Order: sequence, then C-alpha cells, then structure tokens
Amino acid sequence: QKEVEQNSGPLSVPEGAIASLNCTYSDRGSQSFFWYRQYSGKSPELIMFIYSNGDKEDGRFTAQLNKASQYVSLLIRDSQPSDSATYLCAASRPGYSTLTFGKGTMLLVSP
Amino acid sequence: GAVVSQHPSRVICKSGTSVKIECRSLDFQATTMFWYRQFPKQSLMLMATSNEGSKATYEQGVEKDKFLINHASLTLSTLTVTSAHPEDSSFYICSASTQGPPSQPQHFGDGTRLSIL
Repeated sequence: QKEVEQNSGPLSVPEGAIASLNCTYSDRGSQSFFWYRQYSGKSPELIMFIYSNGDKEDGRFTAQLNKASQYVSLLIRDSQPSDSATYLCAASRPGYSTLTFGKGTMLLVSP
Repeated sequence: GAVVSQHPSRVICKSGTSVKIECRSLDFQATTMFWYRQFPKQSLMLMATSNEGSKATYEQGVEKDKFLINHASLTLSTLTVTSAHPEDSSFYICSASTQGPPSQPQHFGDGTRLSIL
C-alpha cells in the first residue's frame, strides 16, 4: 500500500525561525513530490513541487528530496504567523496525476 | 496561472435535495479532474477521478449513483450529490491537473461547504 507519512504536529516555532517539515514515502516508484498548505476551513494551495534529488528553492521555501532515503522535506525560512497552517506532502508515480497525500503537519508560528 | 474556480462556495439545503457543484479550470485545459471530500479536522479523501469524455473512476466505498460526476470538457467538471442527507454534509473540493510526464501538480478550487438540514 502506497503511504506518505507525516508527523501530525503541531510543530511550534517562534516568528523568524526556520520551520522544518518532514515527510517519508513508501512507494519507491514515486517520482514527483508536492507540498501544499491548507489553512483551516480552506482548500489546499500548492507551495512547491520537486522531481529531482537535492534542493529546490522558491523565496522563503526550500524543498528537499532524497530518493534513496525516501524522504522529502520543506524548510520555511523567516517563519511568519501567517505561515501557521497544515502542510500536506503528496507523492505521485510517473504518468499518474493521482496524488497520495500525507495526513499533514500542523505548523504554529508564534509572534 | 493555474486557476481553478469552484461554485457554489456554500450550499445549505433540505434533506432529499440534489446539489450540483461546478469546477472549472480558468486558464488551462485540465486533462484530469479530481473530487475530494474533507470532514472537519480530517484528511482529504479522494472520491473520484475524471478524465474529459470518460466515465469517472470512483474510490472504494464511494457510491457512484449518489455522487454523479460529469467531465464534459477540458475545463469543466460537475459533481452532483443526489438526494443529499445530513451525513453528506462536508467540505467538497475539486482539483485539476494537466498531462505529464512528469506528473503535474493538482490545482485546487476553493471548495464547497455543503450543509444538509
């Protein structure tokens, strides 16, 4: 069974700190990985996607992928209270647009 | 880019009513659209996947006669909850994706909060 695992949290960080969100996946065939942010009562919004091993940076966000360890992470630099949300990690296999979602990690950034 | 519009945003109706929810990709052609349901404080649950012009593929445990999905064009999919009952009250979210490879992100609509009285 394909699974994506995330710590449910909450992960609490002070404003300005780096928040590190982690995700592991069980399906070695997964090749595309996505991070979504979901505010309470809202729908998910795409933050980043990564296909290759290594780091991918976009503004304050860095996605990291290690396929050998089956591990994906999202770093948020200079965390802001507005970053407080649930972060969903998702994976998909080549040729498939269906995503396997983790249950999400709640991030709380305190002022 | 990659905007998905979902309407209505909120529906309150009596038990036994059928409710139609529309999902449109505004600035791209969506080869695949997805319908999810989310109960409070729970994870997203995929209900069905639809490709334009094809019958939807429903996840195990989702009644296809209860949740009718039509994907008539590359920019429009509809979900009809037939004869809705209070247990169908939930947050319904659609998403849309283009063809890979590599697998493309799903872009989500704003969701429809359905309340059945």
